[in-house]
Amino acid sequence: EPEVTQTPSHQVTQMGQEVILRCVPISNHLYFYWYRQILGQKVEFLVSFYNNEISEKSEIFDDQFSVERPDGSNFTLKIRSTKLEDSAMYFCASRLRGHSPLHFGNGTRLTVT
Amino acid sequence: TQLLEQSPQFLSIQEGENLTVYCNSSSVFSSLQWYRQEPGEGPVLLVTVVTGGEVKKLKRLTFQFGDARKDSSLHITAAQPGDTGLYLCAGASNTGKLIFGQGTTLQVKP
Repeated sequence: EPEVTQTPSHQVTQMGQEVILRCVPISNHLYFYWYRQILGQKVEFLVSFYNNEISEKSEIFDDQFSVERPDGSNFTLKIRSTKLEDSAMYFCASRLRGHSPLHFGNGTRLTVT
Repeated sequence: TQLLEQSPQFLSIQEGENLTVYCNSSSVFSSLQWYRQEPGEGPVLLVTVVTGGEVKKLKRLTFQFGDARKDSSLHITAAQPGDTGLYLCAGASNTGKLIFGQGTTLQVKP
């Protein structure tokens, strides 16, 4: 069964550094998402992406965050200058249509020191 | 702001017992989804309920969507150790984004 793949599985970075989290959504899917889960807290919506542009973003998704679909397969989340509070699991997800089932990747654990 | 309150947060039961997990909100959702998440993995979709009053069954798991589409429940009959895990409910807004509950950590002891 096709799946969403995320790399790396674990990323350690120093405060102030830029990180890029990578995702390969399921190939025929059209809607892409990033969610995050701080340890012990809820899964939180960050951003949705459709037709090569952001369709919705949360308050968390400030100017330090950006997303890109540089080619036909990858979907990336960039954090420009990481803060300690950015430490979390970041999940990429994709779906075929607007309300079809959402498929999650296994996440990237980001640790900011 | 749409919020989903999930309860209980932790549940430890003996094999063979029944349990119910609740997901409540003051907001209406276009659909509600239940996920199961294993350590180190992403959430895996169990079921989507769309219509108010809808009931779906998945083997020993029964999912119900409230008539007003604001709340949902997950009932597990005769729980088994293999049911141990984190269960998440998530409501879908009109834009398709998901609002997650806090999750219920279930432990089923043999």
